[in-house]
Amino acid sequence: GQNIDQPTEMTATEGAIVQINCTYQTSGFNGLFWYQQHAGEAPTFLSYNVLDGLEEKGRFSSFLSRSKGYSYLLLKELQMKDSASYLCAVRRDSNYQLIWGAGTKLIIKP
Amino acid sequence: ETGVTQTPRHLVMGMTNKKSLKCEQHLGHNAMYWYKQSAKKPLELMFVYSLEERVENNSVPSRFSPECPNSSHLFLHLHTLQPEDSALYLCASSQASGNTIYFGEGSWLTVV
Repeated sequence: GQNIDQPTEMTATEGAIVQINCTYQTSGFNGLFWYQQHAGEAPTFLSYNVLDGLEEKGRFSSFLSRSKGYSYLLLKELQMKDSASYLCAVRRDSNYQLIWGAGTKLIIKP
Repeated sequence: ETGVTQTPRHLVMGMTNKKSLKCEQHLGHNAMYWYKQSAKKPLELMFVYSLEERVENNSVPSRFSPECPNSSHLFLHLHTLQPEDSALYLCASSQASGNTIYFGEGSWLTVV
């Protein structure tokens, strides 16, 4: 079956660094996405990885290891506005069918 | 403003009602989607349209009926829903072969 696992909830301190992990088992792989979703708002695109390695984009970085079926999202210099849910999704061979994790709720404390 | 607009934002309906959710995208995309988001569950893909043709065949109860009159508009017609259908319904769009899906703000549906 298709499975994506990520922690349900994480807590971190303002100004610190946090790593949100995502492991996947899917039949086929054609890229992994991270989205951010603030409460009551639309999910917004953060990053896309299709090759192994680290992609850096400002305070956010995303890492992929296809052989391990593993990705993480790294958030640096945390700000209160980073409190949100972070969704991991894997695209299989189809352009349209994304398999989604249940999301990780990140709570930032002062 | 995400470029994908959904109305209404909130809807309360009885189990015998008929209502519709509307989605409009202003991004020039060719593909549109309906997703269901329930608390603490993964997003569930319900329907996909590409160039106004339905392309994904997920098992969705017939009480949900999609309509895509053109590449910018998508509807979800609701009929005789159940309380367990209460959820956030998200519309999204993308280029047909693009990487990124853009979501609307969602329509909160409560079935009483």
